[in-house]
Amino acid sequence: NAGVTQTPKFRILKIGQSMTLQCTQDMNHNYMYWYRQDPGMGLKLIYYSVGAGITDKGEVPNGYNVSRSTTEDFPLRLELAAPSQTSVYFCASTPQMNTEAFFGQGTRLTVV
Amino acid sequence: AQSVSQHNHHVILSEAASLELGCNYSYGGTVNLFWYVQYPGQHLQLLLKYFSGDPLVKGIKGFEAEFIKSKFSFNLRKPSVQWSDTAEYFCAADTGFQKLVFGTGTRLLVSP
Repeated sequence: NAGVTQTPKFRILKIGQSMTLQCTQDMNHNYMYWYRQDPGMGLKLIYYSVGAGITDKGEVPNGYNVSRSTTEDFPLRLELAAPSQTSVYFCASTPQMNTEAFFGQGTRLTVV
Repeated sequence: AQSVSQHNHHVILSEAASLELGCNYSYGGTVNLFWYVQYPGQHLQLLLKYFSGDPLVKGIKGFEAEFIKSKFSFNLRKPSVQWSDTAEYFCAADTGFQKLVFGTGTRLLVSP
């Protein structure tokens, strides 16, 4: 069982470039999340989704966009990369409310 | 807005020493609490969780945590740490809106 899969694992972007971080889960979970992890700051919620076709902003959504066309996939889009978006990004999913979250391996993004 | 505070940012212990990591949350209603661990280079994994019932919960690898409602606390403990416990530990709270809020994390270094 693959769980939550993120691609790519590493990426270097130039300022102003765009990219999509992919996240897919094979557990049929309704809820999916994107977090960014910065040293000494913990994890901050960027966007989340409670089901296909439904997304909502988290704590730090500026500069990002998401979509949820299927239950399995929850891609995160950076349109105009900025150095402040250098971070480690984690995708997570949960089957329902009040359950533990399952995390992907993370994507380390550097914007130069 | 709800928040989670972890007081110790870095902890250094020798093997066999006892561990206690502090976690406080700010939310007056029903809350689900979690401790996640992130080993070097890996994704977050669930250590233990509290939803209701016995306030002393036991997790994997000999970890336990005690929920003290009056103190809004959920401290993590282990009687005797091992070198393999070297990791970053995150406390998290979910107030039922399915948005996990994480603390800033505690880096634990266990010296052999």
